[in-house]
Amino acid sequence: SQQGEEDPQALSIQEGENATMNCSYKTSINNLQWYRQNSGRGLVHLILIRSNEREKHSGRLRVTLDTSKKSSSLLITASRAADTASYFCAPYQAGTALIFGKGTTLSVSS
Amino acid sequence: DTAVSQTPKYLVTQMGNDKSIKCEQNLGHDTMYWYKQDSKKFLKIMFSYNNKELIINETVPNRFSPKSPDKAHLNLHINSLELGDSAVYFCASSQGLDIQYFGAGTRLSVL
Repeated sequence: SQQGEEDPQALSIQEGENATMNCSYKTSINNLQWYRQNSGRGLVHLILIRSNEREKHSGRLRVTLDTSKKSSSLLITASRAADTASYFCAPYQAGTALIFGKGTTLSVSS
Repeated sequence: DTAVSQTPKYLVTQMGNDKSIKCEQNLGHDTMYWYKQDSKKFLKIMFSYNNKELIINETVPNRFSPKSPDKAHLNLHINSLELGDSAVYFCASSQGLDIQYFGAGTRLSVL
């Protein structure tokens, strides 16, 4: 199992701005997953990108994956106050458990 | 219908007591997990069961004992509670070891 490391640890933006958070990991993966955690709640799966994909979109979310650099980024466009949450990346290797990092705490103010 | 449900949502107890947290999933998944999230938001895996078999057992005090009566349930029993056990405990499930679905959490406060 390996843990992803999110960067930055905290991010504060205004509504309508874009938010970008990054994830780095150490070994080869089958896919990489992003999760969101609203305050006081459990994690919710947002998006999964496979190792043979470079970019994936889901609504206002855009995820990129660079396996040569062992990094991923999550872009949230046109942020809303409701996007305020912690975001976790989880690199997945088949046969091992997901390990979550410390996350990026995003604050979107109106 | 809640996919992964855990009870109770809040648990306040005295040091030295024994308590249990229950988790049930109705997704038909074969793997379940317990995580501990401390005040710094770090989510640490504690245990994982696949089809009632323990597959992950991280460095956790043996005061913590998971029990899986069937693949839809994974309960966590904690003996001799300590102040440092105060945290939010999350249950999760998955099919295999892939995408996980989380419960809403149990906030444990040890006084």
